[in-house]
This record gives sequence, C-alpha cells and structure tokens, in this order.
Amino acid sequence: EIVLTQSPGTLSLSPGERATLSCRAGQSVSRDSLAWYQQKPGQAPRLLIYGASIRATGIPDRFSGSGSGTDFTLTISRLEPEDFAVYYCQQYGSSPLTFGGGTKVEIK
Amino acid sequence: EVQLVESGGGLVKPGGSLRLSCAASGFTLSSYGMNWVRQAPGEGLEWVSSISGGSRYLYYTDSVKGRFTISRDNAKSSVYLQMNSLRAEDTAVYYCARIFGGFDHSGSDYWGQGTLVTVSS
Repeated sequence: EIVLTQSPGTLSLSPGERATLSCRAGQSVSRDSLAWYQQKPGQAPRLLIYGASIRATGIPDRFSGSGSGTDFTLTISRLEPEDFAVYYCQQYGSSPLTFGGGTKVEIK
Repeated sequence: EVQLVESGGGLVKPGGSLRLSCAASGFTLSSYGMNWVRQAPGEGLEWVSSISGGSRYLYYTDSVKGRFTISRDNAKSSVYLQMNSLRAEDTAVYYCARIFGGFDHSGSDYWGQGTLVTVSS
C-alpha cells in the first residue's frame, strides 16, 4: 500500500497569497497517477488535478500541480475566498487506491 | 449534467446489513467504472471499492473484503454496495463516484453528495 503524507496539516494564509501544498508518497507513484481534490464543509470532494499536473474540466488556472515519483505539489497562485477548504491528494497507480490525510487551507 | 445520487444509509446495529444505492444520470453508466469512497466523521477520505463498466473487475480495500459487495445494473443506471457484518468503524459518509478516463480502477471526476451510515447499538 502506498502511504501518502500531506504537509503542512494546516496552512494559514490571506486572500491573494500563494499556497503551496505537498504530498509525499512512501514509494514511487506509477505513471504519475496522482490526483488532487478540494473539499468544503458538508460537500463532496471536487477533482482539481489528475495525472499530477492536468487540470480537470472547469478548474481555474490559478490551480496547478507538479511533481513526479514520490514528491508532488499543488500550488494555488492567488488565493480566492472560495479556495479556503481541505485538499487531498490521491494515488491511483496501484491498488489499494490511497488518499493523503489532507491539508486545511484556512484564512489567516 | 452528470448526477450521482446515493441512498440507503441509516442507523444499523453492529453485525447488521445495509445496501447502498447510487443512481446515475447524465452519462452512459456502462462506459465508466465506479468507486465507493467513505469518510468517517471528522476524518479523511478512504477508498472502499471499485467496479469496472461491465462488472468484470471488482476491487476492495482489505478492511471490507468478505463483508462488502459492489455491483451494478447498467440497465437501471445504478451502482450498489451491499454491506454485511457492519462494525462501528464502518460509520461514515459513503460517496459514489465516477472513475475518470475510462479506467476500471482509478480516481474520480464526479461525486455524489453522500449517504451517512451509522453503526451503533
């Protein structure tokens, strides 16, 4: 099982600032099969990024993903008020599919 | 518009059973694999099970193997999760989600709003 470790646990930032979220895998994620999701309280997760760097349909270009192998990053270039949420990474290159523990981006 | 609507959750005693349903619309269900993902109260996401478009391939996380069964009826545009021998640790919101890219076992691009399963005496 591939364990995903997300850091930091909580990120306190102001609107307009840049957010950098990390996802580290315990072993290499095959074919960069790494996705990022956003989840707001009481809502279902929303796919942001797949294939480590490909934005999903309708996702603003302030969201970007990068990385390969064991180290992946989600960057939000300028935080909008609606971006304050919890973000999860997920690897889907091998079974079982696994998620990271999440990073909460909160308003400072 | 893609829509996924879960139902069937509720309160059940330990050792009991529940059958979750997911009604799909806005796309051809048979062309997509489907996932069940759960989230315990205040916790993160946990993948539970996947089923390929034609039901040939089934996948389960270890903690539910032998207790949960995923199935689908493409003619009824529905996916199911039969949950037996339920435990307190199965308490969670269960999400039905469409697998992206035409894969059998992968991440999800559309999610339902979830149905809450509570296992308690």
